[in-house]
Amino acid sequence: NAGVIQTPRHKVTGKGQEATLWCEPISGHSAVFWYRQTIVQGLEFLTYFRNQAPIDDSGMPKERFSAQMPNQSHSTLKIQSTQPQDSAVYLCASSLVLGYAEQFFGPGTRLTVL
Amino acid sequence: QQKVQQSPESLSVPEGGMASLNCTSSDRNFQYFWWYRQHSGEGPKALMSIFSDGDKKEGRFTAHLNKASLHVSLHIRDSQPSDSALYFCAASDTGYQNFYFGKGTSLTVIP
Repeated sequence: NAGVIQTPRHKVTGKGQEATLWCEPISGHSAVFWYRQTIVQGLEFLTYFRNQAPIDDSGMPKERFSAQMPNQSHSTLKIQSTQPQDSAVYLCASSLVLGYAEQFFGPGTRLTVL
Repeated sequence: QQKVQQSPESLSVPEGGMASLNCTSSDRNFQYFWWYRQHSGEGPKALMSIFSDGDKKEGRFTAHLNKASLHVSLHIRDSQPSDSALYFCAASDTGYQNFYFGKGTSLTVIP
């Protein structure tokens, strides 16, 4: 079991460019989560999927952020027209079921927007 | 309003000492609590869960939950330098429509 895999581990983009972050959840896990972590804001919930269907994207900045889960083996977080304030560590997590199940986190993707 | 509040923001304890971390939820629907630990450069990792009132002990770690006051604590005895990390409290409701993390407590164990 390789755990949750996130690629790339580091990404540097210029202001206004697009960034796509990838997540491969643990096989068999039905729930997939995306979080953003900064020193100032801490760990912020962005969105989650259950059985590939988007359930709650209340944490997503609406205009430039989008997330998809085209199949059970990967999810993507896309940020269009990146801004310096998007610089953060983006974490993906998966859990076996919803409810009281433990979330398993990937190592994160550190996004730096110049 | 932050659904899950943690205190203190940072904590330093000597090696071998006791570290005590606190967490309070503002929503009575939150019945399930977790403690997660994050070392620098890694993603958070679950330490333990607690769903019932009282104490739950796992090795050097003891969690205590008081549902009436919506307060959960984590006590680390015989703290080690490897315990230095960011500790998150997380809470979810019974229907799992919501799952919240606190802002974390940064623990430093001084050798």
